[in-house]
Amino acid sequence: KAGVTQTPRYLIKTRGQQVTLSCSPISGHRSVSWYQQTPGQGLQFLFEYFSETQRNKGNFPGRFSGRQFSNSRSEMNVSTLELGDSALYLCASSLQGEPNYGYTFGSGTRLTVV
Amino acid sequence: DAKTTQPPSMDCAEGRAANLPCNHSTISGNEYVYWYRQIHSQGPQYIIHGLKNNETNEMASLIITEDRKSSTLILPHATLRDTAVYYCIVRVNTNAGKSTFGDGTTLTVKP
Repeated sequence: KAGVTQTPRYLIKTRGQQVTLSCSPISGHRSVSWYQQTPGQGLQFLFEYFSETQRNKGNFPGRFSGRQFSNSRSEMNVSTLELGDSALYLCASSLQGEPNYGYTFGSGTRLTVV
Repeated sequence: DAKTTQPPSMDCAEGRAANLPCNHSTISGNEYVYWYRQIHSQGPQYIIHGLKNNETNEMASLIITEDRKSSTLILPHATLRDTAVYYCIVRVNTNAGKSTFGDGTTLTVKP
């Protein structure tokens, strides 16, 4: 079956702009999580959505937001981009309430802010 | 989520077993141990998880000590493609979606 699909794979933006990243989870998965990965901070949790509701949120400023649609697809948005937002953004999906499943990650979107 | 401690790096000879340790001395009774790995420039890949019993799947085995304060991931016959960063995560399953990834262990499999 198809894995987690993230688009676009690469993106270059300038400071001050905004960006929207997309994630299509595995069919049937209702939980979608977003992570930011940078060389200095490692993998950091951004937020998690389940059934169109944000269920968990990490320690990121309000410039980072997200949403989930009825088909479980999710988007995250970063407004007023800063150089420090350059990172690999990873999306992961999972069946909810199933202790026998881990998370399946996508290949990520590499965002470069110049 | 409980904090985990892993060695920063390990080497393993190709074909030999790779044993990756993880300490989680503050683990709570309802927290699971999960292992993921990340091969360069790819998203993390789920390997295995367990609560208190040892677990085995097609990729690896997970040994959890009786007091659950530490665990070991075993790759029985390491190959060059197993070179990756391995993350040990402890979390309550009902809080799925918010995992705290530490620095992990960089495993280098050498020919």
